[in-house]
Amino acid sequence: NAGVTQTPKFQVLKTGQSMTLQCAQDMNHNSMYWYRQDPGMGLRLIYYSASEGTTDKGEVPNGYNVSRLNKREFSLRLESAAPSQTSVYFCASSGVHGQGYNEKLFFGSGTQLSVL
Amino acid sequence: QKEVEQDPGPLSVPEGAIVSLNCTYSNSAFQYFMWYRQYSRKGPELLMYTYSSGNKEDGRFTAQVDKSSKYISLFIRDSQPSDSATYLCAKGINAGGTSYGKLTFGQGTILTVHP
Repeated sequence: NAGVTQTPKFQVLKTGQSMTLQCAQDMNHNSMYWYRQDPGMGLRLIYYSASEGTTDKGEVPNGYNVSRLNKREFSLRLESAAPSQTSVYFCASSGVHGQGYNEKLFFGSGTQLSVL
Repeated sequence: QKEVEQDPGPLSVPEGAIVSLNCTYSNSAFQYFMWYRQYSRKGPELLMYTYSSGNKEDGRFTAQVDKSSKYISLFIRDSQPSDSATYLCAKGINAGGTSYGKLTFGQGTILTVHP
């Protein structure tokens, strides 16, 4: 059982380049999320998908787009990378558990992105 | 003011010490609280969660919530070198009985337990 798998683990981009971060989960979870983690800022939500077919903005969505490809996969795209997007990106998923709440996040191991 | 404030530390303690990690939060509606542990170069993993005021214990870990003062704490008893990690507090909001993982995290506290 792999849990949440992110690719790539490391990436270096030049300003203006585009790329897509991939995420897949094998826990049959309905909801998926993209967070970024910066020193002194904690984790901040970029986008989330409450269920297959829906996506919504989080706290810091500017400069990003997402696609919920199917129940398992949720990708994050940077159309024109900027140095301010240098960060560690985490994908997470969550599913309804016994009490009917959906808030227990399972995280991937992260993608370290540098934009020069 | 950030919704969740956490002292980033770093905090260094000897093995066997009792560790106290703390967060304060603003905004009070329908909230629940969590503690995540994050080892270096790994994703966060859930340690504890609680929906109400009071204490919740799990082995050496105790999560405490004081809603009247908007204060949440994590206590680690008999700390071990393997507890060395970043600890993140988080707050979520219940909405109509169904909630999603739209958590607001604190900055994280770096903890080192030395032998």
